[in-house]
Amino acid sequence: DAEITQSPRHKITETGRQVTLACHQTWNHNNMFWYRQDLGHGLRLIHYSYGVQDTNKGEVSDGYSVSRSNTEDLPLTLESAASSQTSVYFCASSADRDPYEQYFGPGTRLTVT
Amino acid sequence: AQSVTQPDIHITVSEGASLELRCNYSYGATPYLFWYVQSPGQGLQLLLKYFSGDTLVQGIKGFEAEFKRSQSSFNLRKPSVHWSDAAEYFCAVGPGGATNKLIFGTGTLLAVQP
Repeated sequence: DAEITQSPRHKITETGRQVTLACHQTWNHNNMFWYRQDLGHGLRLIHYSYGVQDTNKGEVSDGYSVSRSNTEDLPLTLESAASSQTSVYFCASSADRDPYEQYFGPGTRLTVT
Repeated sequence: AQSVTQPDIHITVSEGASLELRCNYSYGATPYLFWYVQSPGQGLQLLLKYFSGDTLVQGIKGFEAEFKRSQSSFNLRKPSVHWSDAAEYFCAVGPGGATNKLIFGTGTLLAVQP
């Protein structure tokens, strides 16, 4: 069965370190999204991609970057982790034929100490 | 700017009681509307969606939602709640046009009492 996976599921890192969160989908979806979830804010969009070599900034992109070298993967990099980036991160994907129906991964809980 | 409001942060209902979760949106045209559910420690799962046509839409797990243009609302309902429905529920708007982004509300946490 097709799926979307995230790794690691839990990560503790120190302030200033570079961290990369992986997202891999086997749906063959062109659209991929990264969100962060924080209490009182719901889900906020960090970056998104509509296809290989395409990346776009979301509403809370500062301090994050993504790259899309193939259809299946959209890794999220925190260039220099900050305590404000402690959060739960969700990756999602959707097909072009039904772009708003997003399929979510299980999430990565990141703690920056 | 488009926005989604879920006025109830936390709701508690008794098992077997009916449920209505509120969602209001701000958008100039009719947007695409969604409800997602998030069980503890899990990702989000799509419950139902509205694009056009019949304003009452049926979803999975016995949920339904009604689009009311005059009230800019898309409330989620269930006639009889089960303990397994305890979760967080998110309303989302897809503004349409050239973007495939979703705008999420802040969520409503549902607790179910035995």
